Amino acid sequence: EVQLVESGGGLVQPGGSLRLSCAASGFSFSDYWMDWVRQAPGKGLVWVSLINPDGSDTNYADSVKGRFTISRDNAKNTLYLQMSSLRVEDTAIYYCVRNRGWSRFDPWGQGTPVTVSP
Amino acid sequence: DVVMTQTPLSLSVTPGQPASISCKSSQSLLNSDGKTYLYWYLQKPGQSPQLLIYEVSSRSSGVPDRFSGSGSGTDFTLKISRVEAEDVGVYYCMQGIHLPSTFGQGTRLELK
Repeated sequence: EVQLVESGGGLVQPGGSLRLSCAASGFSFSDYWMDWVRQAPGKGLVWVSLINPDGSDTNYADSVKGRFTISRDNAKNTLYLQMSSLRVEDTAIYYCVRNRGWSRFDPWGQGTPVTVSP
Repeated sequence: DVVMTQTPLSLSVTPGQPASISCKSSQSLLNSDGKTYLYWYLQKPGQSPQLLIYEVSSRSSGVPDRFSGSGSGTDFTLKISRVEAEDVGVYYCMQGIHLPSTFGQGTRLELK
């Protein structure tokens, strides 16, 4: 069974840092692009970042560029999102998704909540 | 960024009746490879989103055939032929041809 399990979310003060992890299983992780998508409380879905299979190519939403870094460890089948200079508006559930090509996101992890608050 | 506009934003449907959601993009989603990268996702209450439809009209594995997608260029539609209780949730369209990938605002489907 294809599974994505996020972890690392929590409460952090503005300006702080957090690293999210996504453990992948049930598929050949190193063959796929991977993305992060977030959802603020009561709001819609917003794409955050993507990374190619070998980690050499990344892309970010303008809202997080320069503050967030996506990376992966194919030996550990794990995707990461390093978040720094966090803002209140970064408060959201962060979903890890497998990208089956052209942003065909399937499946989605269960999400990990991030709360940025004084 | 490509703007995705869904209508209506909410829908109240009697079980067994049809439902339809429109999605319009601010740019064409037709790629040079001949494919159109428009997706539909459903987020059931308390759950993560799940892929329903990819490339306009192809149903994802396990998706019932009462769900169908259609459209081309910039205008797309998701139809449910007979709404069931398990279809309740928020439906999102999304384009994947232009970075950043962008989602519609979501359409909340509830039962009457």
